[in-house]
Amino acid sequence: AQSVAQPEDQVNVAEGNPLTVKCTYSVSGNPYLFWYVQYPNRGLQFLLKYITGDNLVKGSYGFEAEFNKSQTSFHLKKPSALVSDSALYFCAVRSDSNYQLIWGAGTKLIIKP
Amino acid sequence: KAGVTQTPRYLIKTRGQQVTLSCSPISGHRSVSWYQQTPGQGLQFLFEYFSETQRNKGNFPGRFSGRQFSNSRSEMNVSTLELGDSALYLCASSPLTGGTGSDTQYFGPGTRLTVL
Repeated sequence: AQSVAQPEDQVNVAEGNPLTVKCTYSVSGNPYLFWYVQYPNRGLQFLLKYITGDNLVKGSYGFEAEFNKSQTSFHLKKPSALVSDSALYFCAVRSDSNYQLIWGAGTKLIIKP
Repeated sequence: KAGVTQTPRYLIKTRGQQVTLSCSPISGHRSVSWYQQTPGQGLQFLFEYFSETQRNKGNFPGRFSGRQFSNSRSEMNVSTLELGDSALYLCASSPLTGGTGSDTQYFGPGTRLTVL
């Protein structure tokens, strides 16, 4: 069965420091991995996705994610956090054999000034 | 292009009533998915429509139903509302171009449903 785990309910980072939001997955076949961000009382915004090729994917707002096949992980990163990055982050996975997106529980990112 | 739009944005109903939510996808997008988001359960998949046909369905009771029209607009209906149906209902559209696995979903702002 396909699954996604975001092991941290909340991540706290000081402004200007690098941030990492973790995601691990389990899927049959080749994975397609996605990151979304949700600001309060808003819908989800697409940040980036991994399809194939380069393991480092660059996305919106300076975010990037690293695909690691051996560790089945797709961690979201940013070199220097901004207070405005504070939001809820979701990781999702899909495979070619099943179109339905499987979602993680979300990680609340808090950036402190 | 205009984004995904959902109407209404906020809705207050009482137990036992029914409600219909509307979603207009991005122009040219043919797939529409619906999700329920609650603080305790996170993001739960309701159903997905493509070319007026339901392709996938989540694990929700039959009180939750949906449909898609020929212009790709979609509606979802919840009958006999319960207090636990209070949630943010999100609609997402995707173009279904290229490999379906890589298809990106684009979300609307959601409809906040409160059941009293």
